[in-house]
Amino acid sequence: NAGVTQTPKFRVLKTGQSMTLLCAQDMNHEYMYWYRQDPGMGLRLIHYSVGEGTTAKGEVPDGYNVSRLKKQNFLLGLESAAPSQTSVYFCASTHGQGPGGAFFGQGTRLTVV
Amino acid sequence: RKEVEQDPGPFNVPEGATVAFNCTYSNSASQSFFWYRQDCRKEPKLLMSVYSSGNEDGRFTAQLNRASQYISLLIRDSKLSDSATYLCVVNPYQAGTALIFGKGTTLSVSS
Repeated sequence: NAGVTQTPKFRVLKTGQSMTLLCAQDMNHEYMYWYRQDPGMGLRLIHYSVGEGTTAKGEVPDGYNVSRLKKQNFLLGLESAAPSQTSVYFCASTHGQGPGGAFFGQGTRLTVV
Repeated sequence: RKEVEQDPGPFNVPEGATVAFNCTYSNSASQSFFWYRQDCRKEPKLLMSVYSSGNEDGRFTAQLNRASQYISLLIRDSKLSDSATYLCVVNPYQAGTALIFGKGTTLSVSS
């Protein structure tokens, strides 16, 4: 089982460049999430989606956009990257409001120079 | 009050020790709870769910106290391989809301 797959795994961007991170899950999960993790900060929710075609803001949404055109994919976009967006990004998915926990992708390590 | 709070540690213990972590949550309507483990520079992975009656998985025991709104994780006979960050997670069970993660408690087990 692939579970949750993130691409790319590593990326270096120059300030002002744009990029899209892709998250794909094959578990037919309704909910998908994007988190960033910085040293000493824990996981911070950027955006999430409760179903195909829906998105919602999390704790730190500024500078990011998302789209959920297909149930299995959740895209995170950076329109104009800033050094403050240097972080490790994790995607996760869950069935939704059921009792199950979340499954995570392996993370994307992004450096903005 | 933060939604999910954990003591960040670090907890430094010798092999064989018993160590306990606590986590408090603010939303009394929350329905499901989990402990995750995160190794350095890796993704979090589900360690165990937490049930009202308490549950055990080998050396790990999880407890839930709804009245006091806290969750605990007990690790017995600590191993070097238990060194990691342990995240407390709450599912608010409200439509349209996301899982809530604590910032994690770091455990370091030494020989």
